[in-house]
Amino acid sequence: IAGITQAPTSQILAAGRRMTLRCTQDMRHNAMYWYRQDLGLGLRLIHYSNTAGTTGKGEVPDGYSVSRANTDDFPLTLASAVPSQTSVYFCASSEVAGQTDTQYFGPGTRLTVL
Amino acid sequence: GQNIDQPTEMTATEGAIVQINCTYQTSGFNGLFWYQQHAGEAPTFLSYNVLDGLEEKGRFSSFLSRSKGYSYLLLKELQMKDSASYLCAFMDSNYQLIWGAGTKLIIKP
Repeated sequence: IAGITQAPTSQILAAGRRMTLRCTQDMRHNAMYWYRQDLGLGLRLIHYSNTAGTTGKGEVPDGYSVSRANTDDFPLTLASAVPSQTSVYFCASSEVAGQTDTQYFGPGTRLTVL
Repeated sequence: GQNIDQPTEMTATEGAIVQINCTYQTSGFNGLFWYQQHAGEAPTFLSYNVLDGLEEKGRFSSFLSRSKGYSYLLLKELQMKDSASYLCAFMDSNYQLIWGAGTKLIIKP
């Protein structure tokens, strides 16, 4: 693989269910990010990780959790999905955190919560 | 506070030139990014400006005025494949990106 992969590509989920969105990168980037994209709004940062073993909250973290056990993987978990979490979710990475590095995006996961 | 604004939609003709504007307000600034996003796909990096002036990359150029909180993306010799959304984002004092809602560019033959 090259770049960032996300799984699943799309998912329909019943409200109240738990869901983990997967993100893997093979660029050995230190920093990783989760965004959601909703119609009419800019990308909004959910959580980020500056390096393996550390995570931080973004603009809209409520209802989401993340972990960063190693450099390559950065899963996003919805503990109990609600309809307002219907969105397209993008994972991104950059070489170094805290600098003006370009962020590279995965293909996205389209999530519908009913 | 922080905010960023760009037009929702623009239309242009194949072969022409189009300028997409972006204005922002922030107390901490570490540069301005432009990304292209085709429908149903991921955003892809186009340009980065941190100093005032024009940066040219082939058919695409990006301009920044920090004193005015203003940037634009200039696309020349438009092609049908340029039909996409163009996202501007500034990097704040915490090195986090604050994104505009995107400008949908429609190219007509």
